[in-house]
Formats: sequence, structure tokens, C-alpha cells
Amino acid sequence: EADIYQTPRYLVIGTGKKITLECSQTMGHDKMYWYQQDPGMELHLIHYSYGVNSTEKGDLSSESTVSRIRTEHFPLTLESARPSHTSQYLCASSEATWTGNEQFFGPGTRLTVL
Amino acid sequence: DQQVKQNSPSLSVQEGRISILNCDYTNSMFDYFLWYKKYPAEGPTFLISISSIKDKNEDGRFTVFLNKSAKHLSLHIVPSQPGDSAVYFCAASGTGGTSYGKLTFGQGTILTVHP
Repeated sequence: EADIYQTPRYLVIGTGKKITLECSQTMGHDKMYWYQQDPGMELHLIHYSYGVNSTEKGDLSSESTVSRIRTEHFPLTLESARPSHTSQYLCASSEATWTGNEQFFGPGTRLTVL
Repeated sequence: DQQVKQNSPSLSVQEGRISILNCDYTNSMFDYFLWYKKYPAEGPTFLISISSIKDKNEDGRFTVFLNKSAKHLSLHIVPSQPGDSAVYFCAASGTGGTSYGKLTFGQGTILTVHP
């Protein structure tokens, strides 16, 4: 079944640790996105990719980095986690079409940095 | 500078009645609008969308209305059901220029449908 997956679902980690949030999709979509969301707030785009070896910064500045070596895989890395990174991180994907932009979301990773 | 605004943080309605969720936008380059529904600890799921060339789109119990001159859209759910209780996000996209493919989200409205 075509879907989008994120692991881990929940992560509690200490300050200074390096973490990688995984995102994979089996829908064959070229475009992938990472959003950050705090409770009661809008989703903020932090990274996006239009295809393999293509990555761009989003509208919200983030200390995280991303890579896109394979179409289906779009991991996000924080080299040194801080309490200010505590948030929910949502991965999404969509087809590369001109007629609208329905994005499909994964279940999210709830990150807590102590 | 928030380009998509949902001014009602929450809405409470009785089961069977109509729910109306509102959204305003400021960027006239937006030409495609979407509504997403989100349960706690889950990712948003797509509900319904509308292109700027239309003023109404209907899918079952869900109807989205677009008023381009007022830069306003609304989502109508009728009849409302307890399972509709969730956070609803309005999102907007432009299909040209640097905004191509990117969604801008509102803050969300918490809908509670009482039995």
C-alpha cells in the first residue's frame, strides 16, 4: 500500500545529542517536505526537495539539515539537539504537477529535548 | 507576516448541525486552497481543495466556498458528526514563481462536535 512513514514516532533525548528523523514514502512522489509544528500553531515549512540531490531551505529558519539521495527517502538531521528544538516534525510528499499541490503527510515525530 | 489566518481558535457545534470554519488570506498570488484535518499525535489528512477558478467545491458532507474578492474561504460540514472533532487547517498554494508547490498554513481551528 502506498504510504508515507516516519520514525521514530516519539523521541526524548538529551541536549547535545545528534539525531536523525527518518521519512520514507512509497508513492513515487518527486516532491518532499519537512514541517515543524508547535501546539496551537500553524505548520512551518523548514525544508523541501523537488527530487534527488535537490534540497532547499523553507520559510522558517532551522538548524536542521536534510538530504535526498533516493527518491523515497528524505531524512532530517540535527547535529546537536537543544531544548528549543522540541516540537512536532511532519514529513509530507506530493506529485510534481502544476495543477494544485495536495500533500500527503506522515504521522509525525514528536521530539522532546531535555 | 501571516499570509493565511484562521481567526477562530475553536468552534463547538451540536451533532447534526452545520459547522462553518473560516480562513482569510492576504497573498493574491495564491490560486489553490486546501483543507486538512488533524487528530492529536497524527499527521494532517487532506479533506478537500478548491482552485481559484471556482467558487465552490463539494465532496459529500464537506463543501468549500471561495470568495476571491474578499480573500476568504470557508469549509462547511453538514451534518456534523462527533468523529469530525479535530483540528482543521486551511492551506494555500501558488502554482507559479517561487511559491510553486509550497503550502502556507493557517493556525488551525479546533472543532468539537457534541453528541
